Amino acid sequence: DAMVIQNPRYQVTQFGKPVTLSCSQTLNHNVMYWYQQKSSQAPKLLFHYYDKDFNNEADTPDNFQSRRPNTSFCFLDIRSPGLGDAAMYLCATSARGGSPSGKAYNEQFFGPGTRLTVL
Amino acid sequence: SQQGEEDPQALSIQEGENATMNCSYKTSINNLQWYRQNSGRGLVHLILIRSNEREKHSGRLRVTLDTSKKSSSLLITASRAADTASYFCATVRNPRIQGAQKLVFGQGTRLTINP
Repeated sequence: DAMVIQNPRYQVTQFGKPVTLSCSQTLNHNVMYWYQQKSSQAPKLLFHYYDKDFNNEADTPDNFQSRRPNTSFCFLDIRSPGLGDAAMYLCATSARGGSPSGKAYNEQFFGPGTRLTVL
Repeated sequence: SQQGEEDPQALSIQEGENATMNCSYKTSINNLQWYRQNSGRGLVHLILIRSNEREKHSGRLRVTLDTSKKSSSLLITASRAADTASYFCATVRNPRIQGAQKLVFGQGTRLTINP
């Protein structure tokens, strides 16, 4: 079945130690997103790739970076994790869509998430 | 920034009853989507309603949209224990140029169905 896969499901890192979270998809969607979700809060968009074009949200800290080497894979790099970065990180994809007429928008498909703990 | 709010924040009902959750938002939108999230898991898309639609059904789900009031509601009929989850509304604004849709989520409603 086509899906969005995130590895690992649980990640423990130390304060300041770089960590990479991965996401892969078999849906062949051209858009991939990374969200941060803290406990009992709404998911918050960090950035997204539209094909190879990287789009950062204005309030995403510089500590967060992303790479998309090909259509199927996308990585979230946290260069120096702080205690406040402990959260669930969600990857999502969507098919090409969106136009000024707005007729082609459709849903996003989420992975199961990676729960990051910072010690 | 958060687009909207959901109420109630938490809802607990008996199995078989109907559950209604409300979502309000602040700016004009292209569409509004509802997602479900089971504890500690990813989000699952439930239904999408476009700005020119007023009501949509999918199985036991009914979504309404009132763009004049900037609000939406999600009704789950004949609730089941498996419906226990958090429910989020998310809005998509009209784009200026073609691009990826960016979801802005509400704070969510935690729904508990008691057997």
